[in-house]
Amino acid sequence: AQSVSQHNHHVILSEAASLELGCNYSYGGTVNLFWYVQYPGQHLQLLLKYFSGDPLVKGIKGFEAEFIKSKFSFNLRKPSVQWSDTAEYFCAVNAANNAGNMLTFGGGTRLMVKP
Amino acid sequence: DGGITQSPKYLFRKEGQNVTLSCEQNLNHDAMYWYRQDPGQGLRLIYYSQIVNDFQKGDIAEGYSVSREKKESFPLTVTSAQKNPTAFYLCASTQTGGGPGNTIYFGEGSWLTVV
Repeated sequence: AQSVSQHNHHVILSEAASLELGCNYSYGGTVNLFWYVQYPGQHLQLLLKYFSGDPLVKGIKGFEAEFIKSKFSFNLRKPSVQWSDTAEYFCAVNAANNAGNMLTFGGGTRLMVKP
Repeated sequence: DGGITQSPKYLFRKEGQNVTLSCEQNLNHDAMYWYRQDPGQGLRLIYYSQIVNDFQKGDIAEGYSVSREKKESFPLTVTSAQKNPTAFYLCASTQTGGGPGNTIYFGEGSWLTVV
């Protein structure tokens, strides 16, 4: 079974600061990787996903993530955060041969951006 | 608009009572899921269903039950056997057949508080 670790539980940044949220997974096979975001009072939304190909994936709202297979990592980045990026961010994986599409989530990182 | 509707949004129940959370989707998705979200633990899979009249236990199915009599509906019952039922419950769905890379969509969630 796979597992996902997000090491930063809470992150506080000022506007325009750069963001990097860590995500590491454990699984011996091929995985698909996802970042979801949950804005206050809203439902979970997909930020970006990686299946194959270019390990640098670009998502919505200026976010990107890089899959580093050797490190089992899929860190989320944004060069310059805005107050509106305040949200909880979840990294998730599923096994590439998982016909049921079930996702395994990390514990989440709460990001607060100070105006 | 297409989407996933969960109801009620907030629910209070006395200990020992069963409670059923509704989840309806009009996305024509085959697969539906129930996750439980607790602070610092991310989302954990309770049950999932890939097709009508079939469902499988997730990682934390004890104390929960589901049914899938219609494609668009996947209600979750939190029984009195669930030891820590107070949580945020998320329903999700996705199309199958395209492989595990399909995006999973989430409802807005239901807050259950047991007193």
